[in-house]
Amino acid sequence: DTAVSQTPKYLVTQMGNDKSIKCEQNLGHDTMYWYKQDSKKFLKIMFSYNNKELIINETVPNRFSPKSPDKAHLNLHINSLELGDSAVYFCASSQGSLNTEAFFGQGTRLTVV
Amino acid sequence: DAKTTQPPSMDCAEGRAANLPCNHSTISGNEYVYWYRQIHSQGPQYIIHGLKNNETNEMASLIITEDRKSSTLILPHATLRDTAVYYCIAPGYSSASKIIFGSGTRLSIRP
Repeated sequence: DTAVSQTPKYLVTQMGNDKSIKCEQNLGHDTMYWYKQDSKKFLKIMFSYNNKELIINETVPNRFSPKSPDKAHLNLHINSLELGDSAVYFCASSQGSLNTEAFFGQGTRLTVV
Repeated sequence: DAKTTQPPSMDCAEGRAANLPCNHSTISGNEYVYWYRQIHSQGPQYIIHGLKNNETNEMASLIITEDRKSSTLILPHATLRDTAVYYCIAPGYSSASKIIFGSGTRLSIRP
């Protein structure tokens, strides 16, 4: 069983479209994250949820809206996609938000054309 | 969150020990040091973490200096599969702590 799974693995879409990336973890963790890795390979945190509550929002544009229906899921919805949104998006989870290791998904490569 | 500094790249011969240094001179007393790695096209992978004492697990050893201002990750017998970017992170200890990745060290293992 994959601990943190993301779908889809690849996503190609046109500018202006709305798309969602789903993330599920089966580790029983309380905290989930979204990270963005751009073409320069920098990994930047976007959001963090703890028990379905948003605890970190790193000045991400309003077009990005995370949703956590339960603590095992953290989905990322992106409106009005732009070329600059092209990146690899990683979901992660950890048990609590203090000093615990995080487990990452395999990533979703989003390409906006 | 303490700032960490790592060399941009290193290489090591297969079968030898790879020693990856990290400076975290502004680390506070309660901040752990974490190491992750990212193998090409995969998600980051947790390796090890520690506070004051040296730590060892099945993947690596972590040596933290007594003043806690620096640490070294040791891969005792590097293999080609250890080629990756290695990140040293000190995420802090507040409820808003977050894992912030720097540029890391690109480790190349040569045959």
